[in-house]
Amino acid sequence: KQEVTQIPAALSVPEGENLVLNCSFTDSAIYNLQWFRQDPGKGLTSLLLIQSSQREQTSGRLNASLDKSSGRSTLYIAASQPGDSATYLCAAHTSGGSYIPTFGRGTSLIVHP
Amino acid sequence: NAGVMQNPRHLVRRRGQEARLRCSPMKGHSHVYWYRQLPEEGLKFMVYLQKENIIDESGMPKERFSAEFPKEGPSILRIQQVVRGDSAAYFCASSPPTFPGTTIRNTQYFGPGTRLTVL
Repeated sequence: KQEVTQIPAALSVPEGENLVLNCSFTDSAIYNLQWFRQDPGKGLTSLLLIQSSQREQTSGRLNASLDKSSGRSTLYIAASQPGDSATYLCAAHTSGGSYIPTFGRGTSLIVHP
Repeated sequence: NAGVMQNPRHLVRRRGQEARLRCSPMKGHSHVYWYRQLPEEGLKFMVYLQKENIIDESGMPKERFSAEFPKEGPSILRIQQVVRGDSAAYFCASSPPTFPGTTIRNTQYFGPGTRLTVL
């Protein structure tokens, strides 16, 4: 059974810092891994999707990497801004035909001015 | 193209009542997924449906919960005889149809959620 862990659970940083959020998964037979952002009281917004054959994906100030062999993914946020404050979730889609992702509990990020 | 729509956004029920949560997928999407997010917990998969079919309901509680995705209209998650432990945010997601012979798994697009409070 796939288990996804996110570290740290919470993070508070001053504006401008570069950040690394960590996600680990127990079953390396994943099809893809996805990072989401969740704002308080709202739904999830997909940020980046990394297919199992890829090593990383980039979108603006965000960069996500994937290392299947070690069961890890990282989300790198460059030059953080207060608007980045949210909860960041990673989800692993395990191989074998399942469409169902396993989510971590998220990292709650606060970027203060 | 409107995103995934869920209604109501907030629902209050007393113990023993029924709760009906609706989800309209994005236009052209034929796959619907329901998730539950309990306070201080991660998002947990409940059920995966295609039009008129339940594909995977391995995350659904065995009693009181049911889901459908009819040929016409939104997907419905129904909770009978609600209890306080059902209080949570319920999210719906949708994805486009996949095509035979491909192994592409499409990203899921999430709705804003329905926050159910059971008094």
